[in-house]
Amino acid sequence: NAGVTQTPKFRVLKTGQSMTLLCAQDMNHEYMYWYRQDPGMGLRLIHYSVGEGTTAKGEVPDGYNVSRLKKQNFLLGLESAAPSQTSVYFCASSYAGGGTEAFFGQGTRLTVV
Amino acid sequence: DQQVKQNSPSLSVQEGRISILNCDYTNSMFDYFLWYKKYPAEGPTFLISISSIKDKNEDGRFTVFLNKSAKHLSLHIVPSQPGDSAVYFCAAPGDSNYQLIWGAGTKLIIKP
Repeated sequence: NAGVTQTPKFRVLKTGQSMTLLCAQDMNHEYMYWYRQDPGMGLRLIHYSVGEGTTAKGEVPDGYNVSRLKKQNFLLGLESAAPSQTSVYFCASSYAGGGTEAFFGQGTRLTVV
Repeated sequence: DQQVKQNSPSLSVQEGRISILNCDYTNSMFDYFLWYKKYPAEGPTFLISISSIKDKNEDGRFTVFLNKSAKHLSLHIVPSQPGDSAVYFCAAPGDSNYQLIWGAGTKLIIKP
């Protein structure tokens, strides 16, 4: 049982380049989330989805887009990468929202130069 | 404005002793709290939670205490083991009920 899998694990981008981070979960969870973690800060929610075909903005959505075409996949896109987007990105899923236990992927370390 | 605060970036504890990690919150509407544990190069994993109708929840070596009047919760680990060395986050569901508000984390180091 793989749980939540993120690809890639590491990536270096040049300013202005675009990329897509893929998150896949095999737990049949309805809810999926993308977070970023920066030094000295807690995780901040970028976008989330409460079911296939739905997406919504979180706390820090600017510069990112998401899609949830299939229930098991949640894609995070960076349209035009900026150095401020250098961060560790975590995908998570849960069977319900709020205080329900969330399961996290191993993270993607992104550096924008 | 940080609604969930973990004011100690790091904590060092001797193996076998008690580890106490603290978390303060500002929003009195929070009614549920979670603790997650994170190892390097891994995602956070759920550890323990507590509802505001309780003041204590225990799971093996881990106990979380909630003091609603002080808007404070703490995670106690007894006895501390080397495998407990990790970053610990406290979190609470936000207004939208989909978003968790996270503290900045406390890095716990267990010394042999």
